[in-house]
Amino acid sequence: GESVGLHLPTLSVQEGDNSIINCAYSNSASDYFIWYKQESGKGPQFIIDIRSNMDKRQGQRVTVLLNKTVKHLSLQIAATQPGDSAVYFCAENFDGGKLIFGQGTELSVKP
Amino acid sequence: AAGVIQSPRHLIKEKRETATLKCYPIPRHDTVYWYQQGPGQDPQFLISFYEKMQSDKGSIPDRFSAQQFSDYHSELNMSSLELGDSALYFCASSLGLNLNTQYFGPGTRLTVL
Repeated sequence: GESVGLHLPTLSVQEGDNSIINCAYSNSASDYFIWYKQESGKGPQFIIDIRSNMDKRQGQRVTVLLNKTVKHLSLQIAATQPGDSAVYFCAENFDGGKLIFGQGTELSVKP
Repeated sequence: AAGVIQSPRHLIKEKRETATLKCYPIPRHDTVYWYQQGPGQDPQFLISFYEKMQSDKGSIPDRFSAQQFSDYHSELNMSSLELGDSALYFCASSLGLNLNTQYFGPGTRLTVL
């Protein structure tokens, strides 16, 4: 049968609040970072990306911050909505294009 | 906009059987990646192809093989299936290799009984 998966970190927020999801990446040589949103039973969906020569990038309701000194990424979601409920993964890209995913965070939005 | 297409969406096999998963990248994308995701885990890179040549290899068992065809679609062949192969298998495509956004398909859920 299926093996038991790891319990993901969970962030629970109220609808309308801002959410901050954090991620530590592993390789100081990584030069491209992506946040993906994954809903149950679906494929990862691209949210926003950032290259290593930047420390902040904004999209629609989302902002990604990159701190290379401590190898840390964060995803900020403004005015969180119930449709934002999902698992969020950060991924780093190096060494020829493959993605190395960080541990996901499950975001739960309470109406 | 056209997305990555994977087939089949669900597959049930017995131990020691074989399985073939197919991936059709976004039109004009020349690079395909395969990932495996166990329950509650993050996706793990298996293998990738650029312009029909293998570009990188990750933690892919020797029982698995893959290729990319002239129309850029890719197939992942899995033999001597084991219970532990039960997982979601995702294909992603991009235009070119480095620093290009990978777009994921809906996945194939493989269950090995």
